[in-house]
Amino acid sequence: NAGVTQTPKFQVLKTGQSMTLQCAQDMNHNSMYWYRQDPGMGLRLIYYSASEGTTDKGEVPNGYNVSRLNKREFSLRLESAAPSQTSVYFCASSEQTGSSYEQYFGPGTRLTVT
Amino acid sequence: RKEVEQDPGPFNVPEGATVAFNCTYSNSASQSFFWYRQDCRKEPKLLMSVYSSGNEDGRFTAQLNRASQYISLLIRDSKLSDSATYLCSYGQNFVFGPGTRLSVLP
Repeated sequence: NAGVTQTPKFQVLKTGQSMTLQCAQDMNHNSMYWYRQDPGMGLRLIYYSASEGTTDKGEVPNGYNVSRLNKREFSLRLESAAPSQTSVYFCASSEQTGSSYEQYFGPGTRLTVT
Repeated sequence: RKEVEQDPGPFNVPEGATVAFNCTYSNSASQSFFWYRQDCRKEPKLLMSVYSSGNEDGRFTAQLNRASQYISLLIRDSKLSDSATYLCSYGQNFVFGPGTRLSVLP
């Protein structure tokens, strides 16, 4: 079981370039999430997908788009990167079991926009 | 008031000490609370879940105080390997606090 995987691990972009961050989970979870983490600010939710075919905005969605390609995969796209999007991006998944819905995180993508 | 606030830290404690962190939350309807541990440049990993008044796992105890809307994490007999940032989270859409950094010193 790989859990949650993310690609790439590192990326440097120039302002205005676009890219897609990939995320996949092999735990058969229904829900998937994209967060960004900046120094001293904790994790902020960008978008989430409660189930295949649905996506919803989180706290900081501007400048991003997402696609829930299937149950396993949830991608995050930056159409025109800006220096303010320099951050560490984490993908996560969760499944509700009774009253429990704990999250599992991927290793992160460190993105720098110059 | 921010949705989730945590003790700012950092906490620097000697090995063997007992240390406690607090986390306050604003949504009184939430039923689920979580403590995550995050090592430097790594992803958060679930440490404990709290669905009722509290939870205990070895040296770690989490307590929920619904009246005052806070959860606490108590670490007994601190080890060097406990050095990390501890994030609290709650709710079904997983709102996170900014984290509390702990350094356990030899």
